[in-house]
Amino acid sequence: EPEVTQTPSHQVTQMGQEVILRCVPISNHLYFYWYRQILGQKVEFLVSFYNNEISEKSEIFDDQFSVERPDGSNFTLKIRSTKLEDSAMYFCASSLTSSGRAAEQYFGPGTRLTVT
Amino acid sequence: AQSVSQHNHHVILSEAASLELGCNYSYGGTVNLFWYVQYPGQHLQLLLKYFSGDPLVKGIKGFEAEFIKSKFSFNLRKPSVQWSDTAEYFCAVSTNNAGNMLTFGGGTRLMVKP
Repeated sequence: EPEVTQTPSHQVTQMGQEVILRCVPISNHLYFYWYRQILGQKVEFLVSFYNNEISEKSEIFDDQFSVERPDGSNFTLKIRSTKLEDSAMYFCASSLTSSGRAAEQYFGPGTRLTVT
Repeated sequence: AQSVSQHNHHVILSEAASLELGCNYSYGGTVNLFWYVQYPGQHLQLLLKYFSGDPLVKGIKGFEAEFIKSKFSFNLRKPSVQWSDTAEYFCAVSTNNAGNMLTFGGGTRLMVKP
């Protein structure tokens, strides 16, 4: 069964450094998403992406964050200058459509980001 | 904006006991409803989903959920749990007005004692 993959599984970085989290969505999916879960808190939506553009973004997704689909397979989340409060598990997801029954989102295993 | 509440944070059951996990949402319009499960060390997996039609939805591994529109609820049920059901369960909603953004509840940790 096709699945979403994410690398690395764990990233440790120092405050102020840039990080890039990578995701490979399911190959025929067209819609891509990033979510995060701070330890002990809810899974929160960050951003959705379609046709090389951001479709929706939350208040969390400020100017420090950016997303990109640099080639036909990867989908990346960049945090420009990390803060301690960016420490969280980051989940990538993809879906075939954005509405209707094929809008089911498939999640990757997550990248645990630790900012020190 | 929509929100989702899961009232049970931790549930401990013995094998063969029946399970019901509560999920309530707040949103006045049409919603799509989901239950995801996260087994220890694994990623979020979809258990079941509701878009329209029969409000009683059957999912994988013997789980089902019932959408009660008047109560804004989508409770998850299983008549007889197994040790392998030990996991964290997340209720989520999306609306047609916010693309396909999922809003999650806080999750319920289920431990099934053998």
